[in-house]
Amino acid sequence: AQSVTQPDIHITVSEGASLELRCNYSYGATPYLFWYVQSPGQGLQLLLKYFSGDTLVQGIKGFEAEFKRSQSSFNLRKPSVHWSDAAEYFCAVGGNDYKLSFGAGTTVTVRA
Amino acid sequence: GAVVSQHPSRVICKSGTSVKIECRSLDFQATTMFWYRQFPKQSLMLMATSNEGSKATYEQGVEKDKFLINHASLTLSTLTVTSAHPEDSSFYICSARRDQAGGYTFGSGTRLTVV
Repeated sequence: AQSVTQPDIHITVSEGASLELRCNYSYGATPYLFWYVQSPGQGLQLLLKYFSGDTLVQGIKGFEAEFKRSQSSFNLRKPSVHWSDAAEYFCAVGGNDYKLSFGAGTTVTVRA
Repeated sequence: GAVVSQHPSRVICKSGTSVKIECRSLDFQATTMFWYRQFPKQSLMLMATSNEGSKATYEQGVEKDKFLINHASLTLSTLTVTSAHPEDSSFYICSARRDQAGGYTFGSGTRLTVV
């Protein structure tokens, strides 16, 4: 079974600064990898996904993520955060059974 | 495109009653739908997987008689919490898998409070 680790529970970043959220996964084959964002009391919005091909994936809202097989990682980055990026971020991994396993999430706080 | 509507967004019910939550894919056919439960400040825990026209597959530890899932069509799945108790209070989220590439779309969630 697959699993996901998000080492950072909470990250605070200044508006305009860069952001990197870490994600490590465990899966025996090539995984499907996702990053989702959740605002309080809301569902999940897909930021980006990786299935195959180019290991650097561009997403919405200026986010990107890089798949590194050797490190079993799929870290999310944004060069310059906006106050509206404050939210909960979840990394997820999927396998051949199409089930998703989610990490514990990282709360991002943006300070002015 | 690829919108999933989940209804209701909030519900308060009395202990011992049943509550039905609907999850509809509005502009695509969902071969598979998933139901998750999320506790405050925690991650999503998969409860069950449902395929249209067949019985749902429940994850270990999830009571299938308490959480009834029906996937009657390619666009609708329902989760019924039967004989609800306060410990069933939670945020429930559905998602729909929409294509072979494994794209998933999530509903906006349902906040269930059992009093």
